[in-house]
Amino acid sequence: DIQMTQSPASLSASLGETVTIECLASEDIYSNLAWYQQKPGKSPQLLIYYANSLNDGVPSRFSGSGSGTQYSLKINSLQSEDVSIYFCQQNYDSPNTFGAGTKLELK
Amino acid sequence: QVQLKESGPGLVQPSETLSLTCTVSGFSLTSYSVSWVRQPSGKGPEWMGRMWYDGDTAYNSALKSRLSISRDTSKNQVFLKMNSLQTDDTGTYYCTRDGKTGILFGWGQGVMVTVSS
Repeated sequence: DIQMTQSPASLSASLGETVTIECLASEDIYSNLAWYQQKPGKSPQLLIYYANSLNDGVPSRFSGSGSGTQYSLKINSLQSEDVSIYFCQQNYDSPNTFGAGTKLELK
Repeated sequence: QVQLKESGPGLVQPSETLSLTCTVSGFSLTSYSVSWVRQPSGKGPEWMGRMWYDGDTAYNSALKSRLSISRDTSKNQVFLKMNSLQTDDTGTYYCTRDGKTGILFGWGQGVMVTVSS
């Protein structure tokens, strides 16, 4: 199975800051990478797919980039509603596997 | 409006079988695939398996020997059955509406399952 390693495991940032979350795949996943946001007590929701395509309704302050084995999620101008856990998922090979998550909190 | 809702028992005895139902609305099961994903508390999600739009199934090899996914298109329902449950099967179980390449575009609210005697 393809292993997905996320960093950092947790992150504390101030309102208005820019934050970046990284995801490393154990092999090339050819941009088949999605990011999900899970707010406290809620189910995950798709933010970005194919590494850099924004899902409908997702604010433009979210962006994704990367290729090969290295990917990142960037949040510009952090808002209070962005407090969540963020997961990456590879959908290149079965079983589709997830990272362990990055918990984003406000400083 | 696309909706998915999981239902099933909240408590299962060790060694018994878990049966869950995902009832969908706003889309057809013959046009979209549905996956089951579970998430232990405080951990990342785990993809369990998929009912493809054409009726085919795919399973996580780690669970394949214990897992069965089926559907009733007339009732807009997808079913999960997993046997020989153990305590580490405890978690929240979700069904999802999938894109063609396994992107999980929509998620249900989830159902919490505890395996305990």
